[in-house]
Order: sequence, then C-alpha cells, then structure tokens
Amino acid sequence: EAGVAQSPRYKIIEKRQSVAFWCNPISGHATLYWYQQILGQGPKLLIQFQNNGVVDDSQLPKDRFSAERLKGVDSTLKIQPAKLEDSAVYLCASSFELSQGIGEKLFFGSGTQLSVL
Amino acid sequence: QKEVEQDPGPLSVPEGAIVSLNCTYSNSAFQYFMWYRQYSRKGPELLMYTYSSGNKEDGRFTAQVDKSSKYISLFIRDSQPSDSATYLCAIGDGNQFYFGTGTSLTVIP
Repeated sequence: EAGVAQSPRYKIIEKRQSVAFWCNPISGHATLYWYQQILGQGPKLLIQFQNNGVVDDSQLPKDRFSAERLKGVDSTLKIQPAKLEDSAVYLCASSFELSQGIGEKLFFGSGTQLSVL
Repeated sequence: QKEVEQDPGPLSVPEGAIVSLNCTYSNSAFQYFMWYRQYSRKGPELLMYTYSSGNKEDGRFTAQVDKSSKYISLFIRDSQPSDSATYLCAIGDGNQFYFGTGTSLTVIP
C-alpha cells in the first residue's frame, strides 16, 4: 500500500513570497489533514477535509493560508504572503472514513520543511 | 487547559533499559489513542493504536490506556539505539486528533 505522498520535500523562500505544497493521500482515504509542526512542538491541525468538503479550518490563518482538495483526492496548501513565523514542517495526513463518518488511524507523509528567510 | 499534555523530556537511557512515556488528556469522550515515532526530518510513523481502554502489546512495545485517570503510557522494553526518536501521543474522538508536544528519547549504546 502506497503511503501519503507530499512534495516538495524542502522549500526556502523569502518573507512575503508565496509557496504551495501538494499532498496525495492513501487511496481510499476520505479524510485529509494538514498539520503545521514547528520545531520542538507537536503537530497542530490547520485544516481537515472529508472528501472535498472542509470539516474544520478553525486554526487556519485565513488571511494568508488557503487549501483546497479537488475531487476529494489530492490537496494543495498555499501560503501568501509568507511570514518568518511560518517556518515549520507542513505535514499531510489521511485516514479512512468509517461508516459513521469517523476516521480511525492517521497516516502521515514525510512533510515539507519550509524555511522563510 | 490543553487537550493533551506530554512531558517533552529529553529522556536519555542506556541500551536495554525499560522506557516509559506518558500523556494525559482532558476530554473523557476521547476514544482513540495513538503513539507515533518521529525520526529527525521525517514524518510521524504510527507505532501503536488503541481504541477505548486496555493494553496492547506489539513486540517490545506496550501501550496502556487508563480512561479513569485520562492517562496513557507507552512502554519500550529492551530499548535499542534505533529507538532514539521523538515519540508523540495523539488522542481524539475519531473526528479530530490532538497531539502532545512529543518526548525526545535517546538510547545510549
């Protein structure tokens, strides 16, 4: 079974520039998550999709971050404009939707390490 | 109050030692308990998964859940240098998961 794929692996940009990250979840997983992990901290949920609908984006800084999940499969996360404090690893995760619409185990990709200079 | 609390460590033990890692949580409705291992510059890798309460064993790893105390543990027996990593607990209700800050573990040969 292929895992969660993410690209790029690393990205270095200057502040105020824009950047985009891509995620392809495990086949058949209805739920997709984007997490932000700052060095030394646990992952923090940015946005959660179920199929192509947003379930939770309460912690997404919507003035600069946006995300979409077209056709309920791949997803992109964009930051525009980037700030220094956005330097972090951006992790994509997916989970299988059970009959009650509840996810189960989370499977993560390797992440995109973003450095904002 | 945070949903999940985890001692960040760092924890340093000699090879062969028994390691105990712990998390506490605040919401009694949480039913899903996971432990992840994260090596440097890698994404978290699912190590142990428990639904509801009880113990689960997988090789050298044992996960315990005490719902009455809202406390979960991961035990590593006969620790190896390859176990050196950050261990994250993730707890949730199936719709949303909350992560601890992670405990950094170093196993010294």
